[in-house]
Amino acid sequence: SAVISQKPSRDICQRGTSLTIQCQVDSQVTMMFWYRQQPGQSLTLIATANQGSEATYESGFVIDKFPISRPNLTFSTLTVSNMSPEDSSIYLCSVVLGRNTEAFFGQGTRLTVV
Amino acid sequence: AQSVAQPEDQVNVAEGNPLTVKCTYSVSGNPYLFWYVQYPNRGLQFLLKYITGDNLVKGSYGFEAEFNKSQTSFHLKKPSALVSDSALYFCAVRPGYSSASKIIFGSGTRLSIRP
Repeated sequence: SAVISQKPSRDICQRGTSLTIQCQVDSQVTMMFWYRQQPGQSLTLIATANQGSEATYESGFVIDKFPISRPNLTFSTLTVSNMSPEDSSIYLCSVVLGRNTEAFFGQGTRLTVV
Repeated sequence: AQSVAQPEDQVNVAEGNPLTVKCTYSVSGNPYLFWYVQYPNRGLQFLLKYITGDNLVKGSYGFEAEFNKSQTSFHLKKPSALVSDSALYFCAVRPGYSSASKIIFGSGTRLSIRP
């Protein structure tokens, strides 16, 4: 299994500012994933973060809005840039340890933009 | 393209009765299938998975699920529901050919168990 620490757990931010969310894993993983979830709704994949290369973004998400860093095999950050109230959501970090394993999730970051 | 459908937004069951939460999927090749549960203000907790082998898989908290290839379904079941099972349940799918392939989640089903 994997233990994922995500910071901050929640934040209230002013529109137009940026927030960086950190994700720390207790083991080395090749790929990390960032999801967005409206409360009570499904998870939408934002991007896949590979160590040492550019993140791969899903349709509807762009690097300028959601820049991702992946400096090593245990850590990643997601920045939500130039925030608007529409960015209010829960952001989740996830990892997969191997081909036959399930995904493990952090506790999420609840973001409110005012 | 891969997809997951959970046709019921909400399932209501009396405590002690059996419960079923439905899931159908579409994916290229052999699917890896998962069920997760989310309690209020909590992260996602893994319940069970189907990778290969026996079509009936057993997981945490007395839950089980049956993989049906012909119907492309992976319904979650429990013989006797508990009030504490009330939560949001997600079915998820990933193509089995690579651990690099992304996991896609269904829309979620809210399970409500009445005493």
